[in-house]
Amino acid sequence: SQQGEEDPQALSIQEGENATMNCSYKTSINNLQWYRQNSGRGLVHLILIRSNEREKHSGRLRVTLDTSKKSSSLLITASRAADTASYFCATDGDGSSNTGKLIFGQGTTLQVKP
Amino acid sequence: EAGVTQSPTHLIKTRGQQATLRCSPISGHTSVYWYQQALGLGLQFLLWYDEGEERNRGNFPPRFSGRQFPNYSSELNVNALELEDSALYLCASSNVGGGYTFGSGTRLTVV
Repeated sequence: SQQGEEDPQALSIQEGENATMNCSYKTSINNLQWYRQNSGRGLVHLILIRSNEREKHSGRLRVTLDTSKKSSSLLITASRAADTASYFCATDGDGSSNTGKLIFGQGTTLQVKP
Repeated sequence: EAGVTQSPTHLIKTRGQQATLRCSPISGHTSVYWYQQALGLGLQFLLWYDEGEERNRGNFPPRFSGRQFPNYSSELNVNALELEDSALYLCASSNVGGGYTFGSGTRLTVV
């Protein structure tokens, strides 16, 4: 079963606007990762945030993590048409051991209109 | 640096046949992971190999199996194919504690 739940399922914005996607999870984690998938192809790793971190930046991406609420958000600033893709959060699912397993959310489909 | 490579890109098989999918990890990565992305089911963890050993497997029947070779490349075998095995199969590699690098996937169609 999918641990992560993402919100919204779909998001449509104009180029230049900011896009915010949220992810909730159920168990303790070591880290949470965000991935992008274009047109049903491979996943591209965007950012990893560890359980002891609250915020992380990478270029136009900003990720926050609230372990007390078991939630994370991904903010894409100044969006571009090329950001159109599906975005997934993934957790390692178990804060106590390395299972090698990522548990993915259902994803948010982002459409950026030029 | 070459990324994770998967072959073939597309594979069409008949129900009951066997499929073999291949994956080469990033140089230096010892762990290889397999995921299935079927329509409507999302990304499901299949298998984890590290240092040639199967370390964990997801909730899939035994006809899904694989192996990791001494050069850390990996094969995923699916026996007795069923229509619902049609999916995108993604391979990823990583170093311990890092983010995963995914390949572009193999699109398996069972007819």
